[in-house]
Amino acid sequence: DIQMTQSPSSLSASVGDRVTITCRASQSISDYLNWYQQKPGKAPKLLIYAASSLQSGVPSRFSGSGSGTDFALTISSLQPEDFATYYCQQTYSIPFFGPGTTVDMK
Amino acid sequence: QVTLKESGPALVKPTQTLTLTCTFSGFSLSTTGMRVNWIRQPPGKALEWLARIDWDDDKLYSTSLKTRLTISKDTSKNQVVLTMTNMDPVDTATYYCARSHGDYVLTAAAFDIWGQGTLVTVSS
Repeated sequence: DIQMTQSPSSLSASVGDRVTITCRASQSISDYLNWYQQKPGKAPKLLIYAASSLQSGVPSRFSGSGSGTDFALTISSLQPEDFATYYCQQTYSIPFFGPGTTVDMK
Repeated sequence: QVTLKESGPALVKPTQTLTLTCTFSGFSLSTTGMRVNWIRQPPGKALEWLARIDWDDDKLYSTSLKTRLTISKDTSKNQVVLTMTNMDPVDTATYYCARSHGDYVLTAAAFDIWGQGTLVTVSS
């Protein structure tokens, strides 16, 4: 199986901050990397697919980058509704999620 | 509008078999490329992908759980069923179903629509 790691596991930030979360695959996954946002008690929501494509309806402050084994999710200006947990996922082989990164308020 | 909804028992005893149903609308699992996945999340922990069934009845299972899982579909009822045998307290989790599409170029097989999830507790 292709394993995923994320860093940091958590971060504290303020509204307006630029936030970057990284995700690394244990082997190359091309651009088969997706990002999800999950709020407490809710199902995950797809933000970014194919490493850098913005899902319909998702604000443009979210962006994704990377290819191969190293990827990043960036929130250009953190908004109050962005405090949540973010998961990366590879779909190159048997799907696998990363351990998550929790973004909370500083 | 595409929706998915999970249903099943809220409580199962250790060693029992869990049967969960995902009932969906707004798409057909007979459409080329369509897939339905099952994912779980123990309380306070990360997401874990479990299984997938495709429009052509192809199936894929988690490596670590494949001996315990069976996935099937009833296209006429718009339902996908997951069974998990020999339940244990560590299987306590919220179980989700989610749609994906096998066109990797267009979608990267991302899970675009999720159900609300159903909490299953394993306890005697």
